[in-house]
Amino acid sequence: DAGVTQSPTHLIKTRGQHVTLRCSPISGHKSVSWYQQVLGQGPQFIFQYYEKEERGRGNFPDRFSARQFPNYSSELNVNALLLGDSALYLCASSPKAGTGIINTQYFGPGTRLTVL
Amino acid sequence: GQSLEQPSEVTAVEGAIVQINCTYQTSGFYGLSWYQQHDGGAPTFLSYNALDGLEETGRFSSFLSRSDSYGYLLLQELQMKDSASYFCAVRRNTPLVFGKGTRLSVIA
Repeated sequence: DAGVTQSPTHLIKTRGQHVTLRCSPISGHKSVSWYQQVLGQGPQFIFQYYEKEERGRGNFPDRFSARQFPNYSSELNVNALLLGDSALYLCASSPKAGTGIINTQYFGPGTRLTVL
Repeated sequence: GQSLEQPSEVTAVEGAIVQINCTYQTSGFYGLSWYQQHDGGAPTFLSYNALDGLEETGRFSSFLSRSDSYGYLLLQELQMKDSASYFCAVRRNTPLVFGKGTRLSVIA
């Protein structure tokens, strides 16, 4: 069974540019969450989507946006990139957006974004 | 606010047992998850405790005490491949809130 997939694997951008990251959840999972992981830190929650609706938003500026498509895949967009946006961006999928072991989040391999 | 505390580094000998502690302060607590992350890799789910007590999965066990806002991950029969970062994460209504991680080094 395919796990969570993300593209691209690596990306290099310059300050001020825009970036789009993509995620495909595990088959049958309808919820996708995005996390930012800075080197040496734990992942930090950015967004959660379920059935194409935003279900949660972390403490990130409006430069960050996301959406979920009818096939449950998702995009994370970041505008006006800053050096501090350099990080590993992780996508996680779960069957639904609720709690409990059944809604465990499974992570993709991530996209390593470097902003120069 | 919410916070999780776990040791930053732990070193243990191959074949030994190691315990990684996690204390948390948060509202809307539903459970405590543990993830393993090797350098350059994705976090991999290890265990989830919603109720007090011990959950065992092979060489790994996880414990939760909701009254003490405390949990731990126990790794037995350590292997070199267990060298990785281990994160506790609180399950809230929607997102996971992660600790900063414990870097485990297994030495021969």
